[in-house]
Amino acid sequence: AQSVTQLDSHVSVSEGTPVLLRCNYSSSYSPSLFWYVQHPNKGLQLLLKYTSAATLVKGINGFEAEFKKSETSFHLTKPSAHMSDAAEYFCVVSDTTGNQFYFGTGTSLTVIP
Amino acid sequence: DSGVTQTPKHLITATGQRVTLRCSPRSGDLSVYWYQQSLDQGLQFLIQYYNGEERAKGNILERFSAQQFPDLHSELNLSSLELGDSALYFCASSALAGGYADTQYFGPGTRLTVL
Repeated sequence: AQSVTQLDSHVSVSEGTPVLLRCNYSSSYSPSLFWYVQHPNKGLQLLLKYTSAATLVKGINGFEAEFKKSETSFHLTKPSAHMSDAAEYFCVVSDTTGNQFYFGTGTSLTVIP
Repeated sequence: DSGVTQTPKHLITATGQRVTLRCSPRSGDLSVYWYQQSLDQGLQFLIQYYNGEERAKGNILERFSAQQFPDLHSELNLSSLELGDSALYFCASSALAGGYADTQYFGPGTRLTVL
């Protein structure tokens, strides 16, 4: 069975400081992993995805994530937070068919000016 | 803009009623997925259609049904509505039937309020 655990429901950072949003996954097979962002009253936008190629994945808006099989983690990072990064972030794992997505409970990121 | 469109944006209705939510996928995408997002349940996968056929089923209630038409747009029908059905309903589309190479692109959602 597939599942993801987002370890923090809320994260606050100051503008210009690094961002770390943590995600651990559980999967019986080599997973596909995704990070999506949801701004208030908007749909979900794909930030990046891992599909068994390079373990360090670069996404849009300066975000990146590293797949660590030994730690079953897929943490999202960004070197310097911007006010526009304030949003809800979802870590997602898909099953082996790729048909079903399993969402984490989300991490709300607040950026303090 | 993901290229996935959903109508209506907002829907307010009463308990016991029936509503239809509509989704148009990105041009060329063959799969459509429906999700429900609520405060207590988070984001839950409901159902997937690929090229007109049901492909995968998640936590979809029997009161809910969906279909995908020959032009690939999809409709989600919710009947005998209950207060607990109030949620944001997202549609997503992908090019393929699923698998490692596939990525889902989400629409802006339909906010359903049941009074």
